Amino acid sequence: EVQLVESGGGLVKPGGSLRLACAASGFTFNTYTMNWVRQAPGKGLEWVSSISSGSSHVYYADSMKGRVTISRDNAKKSLYLQMNSLRAEDTAVYYCARDHGYSGYIWFDPWGQGTLVTVSS
Amino acid sequence: DIQMTQSPSSVSASVGDRVTITCRASQDIRSWLAWYQQKPGKAPKLLIYAASNLESGVPSRFSGSRSGTDFTLTISSLQPEDFATYYCQQANSFPITFGQGTRLETK
Repeated sequence: EVQLVESGGGLVKPGGSLRLACAASGFTFNTYTMNWVRQAPGKGLEWVSSISSGSSHVYYADSMKGRVTISRDNAKKSLYLQMNSLRAEDTAVYYCARDHGYSGYIWFDPWGQGTLVTVSS
Repeated sequence: DIQMTQSPSSVSASVGDRVTITCRASQDIRSWLAWYQQKPGKAPKLLIYAASNLESGVPSRFSGSRSGTDFTLTISSLQPEDFATYYCQQANSFPITFGQGTRLETK
């Protein structure tokens, strides 16, 4: 069974940092693009970042560019998101999502259960 | 950035109804569009990819279509478990963008 399990969320003060992790199982991790998508409370979905299977290509949303770094460890089957200079508006559930694998374009499937990041003083 | 505009933002319907949700892209995205279903407190679930391909395990009452830059998600006969929020997503280019969501509520 394909499974993605996020961890690392929590309460952090404005300006603080947090590192999210996503543990993958049930598929050949090193052959898939991996992604982070977030959802602020009561709001819609917002793509955050993507990283190719071999880490050669990374992409970021403008809203977080310069403050986040996506990375992966294929040996550990893990995806990471280092978030710095956090703001109140970064408060959201952060989902790890695998690329579906069809056609080279990115569809998110499956998704993890999400980890809540709350930025507040 | 490509803007994705969904309509309506909410819709009320009854079990057995046919429901249509539309997503318009601000520029040509060919057929690189997906639809997701999200229930409260849960992660989104992929329903349709590449505009009209049904994801494995998704009931056949769900279908997707494209006409130019307009995309449609249709539920042919609404079931109780279909009441949820639906999102479109373009995969044509970065940044990947979502529609604002359509909340499907019981009438």
